Amino acid sequence: SQQGEEDPQALSIQEGENATMNCSYKTSINNLQWYRQNSGRGLVHLILIRSNEREKHSGRLRVTLDTSKKSSSLLITASRAADTASYFCAPNYGQNFVFGPGTRLSVLP
Amino acid sequence: GAGVSQTPSNKVTEKGKYVELRCDPISGHTALYWYRQSLGQGPEFLIYFQGTGAADDSGLPNDRFFAVRPEGSVSTLKIQRTERGDSAVYLCASSLEAGGGGTQYFGPGTRLLVL
Repeated sequence: SQQGEEDPQALSIQEGENATMNCSYKTSINNLQWYRQNSGRGLVHLILIRSNEREKHSGRLRVTLDTSKKSSSLLITASRAADTASYFCAPNYGQNFVFGPGTRLSVLP
Repeated sequence: GAGVSQTPSNKVTEKGKYVELRCDPISGHTALYWYRQSLGQGPEFLIYFQGTGAADDSGLPNDRFFAVRPEGSVSTLKIQRTERGDSAVYLCASSLEAGGGGTQYFGPGTRLLVL
């Protein structure tokens, strides 16, 4: 399968703590994207990181990419209750994306 | 500006019936994707359009599924002889970048229930 695999499947933390989610994939990619999905709603794009990039930041989000290990991580710093959602990585192999099953993050107030 | 819209938001049908799901992408977006998502799973790729043509339909599960985008804007996903296993949320996304791989903007989805 070419899908991204997120790890852990579920994560529960206290507000203010950092949350780290990992993604592994199988073959060479053009880019890798992270998305968030609140329960019952559509997906929201967070960050796109290209295969020649190693790290990107957006506000409280930091994404790293290690193409030698075929892995990526998403770090959310100073988490808030509103960050509670499912997070998906989507490796891009050209014309389509293969989403993994996601990490369900719960941030407790 | 308006985001991606999908209609209907919910659809209940009986096994064996035909359904059409509509997607209105963001104006000017040439790329359009269809996915379906089952409870607790990530979106499963179905088909990708670049303009009017289906550039990649490798995700369509069988020949009961068909999608069109005749004018390069609105797209319709058509499911014939629906089965209970087709029940899922069908998501549409559009992207400004041609050639696939760009940032996708998702619609709210159509929740399909086949009884």
